[in-house]
Amino acid sequence: NAGVTQTPKFRVLKTGQSMTLLCAQDMNHEYMYWYRQDPGMGLRLIHYSVGEGTTAKGEVPDGYNVSRLKKQNFLLGLESAAPSQTSVYFCASSFSGQFNQPQHFGDGTRLSIL
Amino acid sequence: GENVEQHPSTLSVQEGDSAVIKCTYSDSASNYFPWYKQELGKRPQLIIDIRSNVGEKKDQRIAVTLNKTAKHFSLHITETQPEDSAVYFCAASLRSSASKIIFGSGTRLSIRP
Repeated sequence: NAGVTQTPKFRVLKTGQSMTLLCAQDMNHEYMYWYRQDPGMGLRLIHYSVGEGTTAKGEVPDGYNVSRLKKQNFLLGLESAAPSQTSVYFCASSFSGQFNQPQHFGDGTRLSIL
Repeated sequence: GENVEQHPSTLSVQEGDSAVIKCTYSDSASNYFPWYKQELGKRPQLIIDIRSNVGEKKDQRIAVTLNKTAKHFSLHITETQPEDSAVYFCAASLRSSASKIIFGSGTRLSIRP
């Protein structure tokens, strides 16, 4: 049981390039989330998904797109990378249910945009 | 929008002493309050959480208290040890569903030997 797995762990891009970050979970969680973490700002929600085939915007969605074609995978895309998107990206997942459930995080992807 | 304020941003305590981190939240509908610990270069990990139907929860050296009226909640770590050094984040659930939470900005806790 690997939990939440993120790939890649590190990446350096040039401004204007595109890339996709992959998140995979093996806990059969309905909900999945993408966050970015910047110094002194905690974690901010980019996009989230409440189930296969659904996505929704979070707090800071601009410049990012997501897809949830399979329940276990949640992809985060940067169409045209900008230096402001240099950050550490975390994926998380949780069970659904009547009450809020804890979120479980992956190890993160450190992304640098030059 | 909704927010969570966390204080202090940095905290240094002598090994064996207690540490307290405080948070306030703005969404009156918040009913779930998790705390995460993040060691350098690692993932955030849940260390304790509390729901709005209780005022206090304890797990060994860690305890969390909640004051719904004042919209305050706090993390208490007793008998601190070197391995407690990390960044701690509080969070509060949002009114909407999907278990969404909003995080505080974090507290860097250092334990002095």
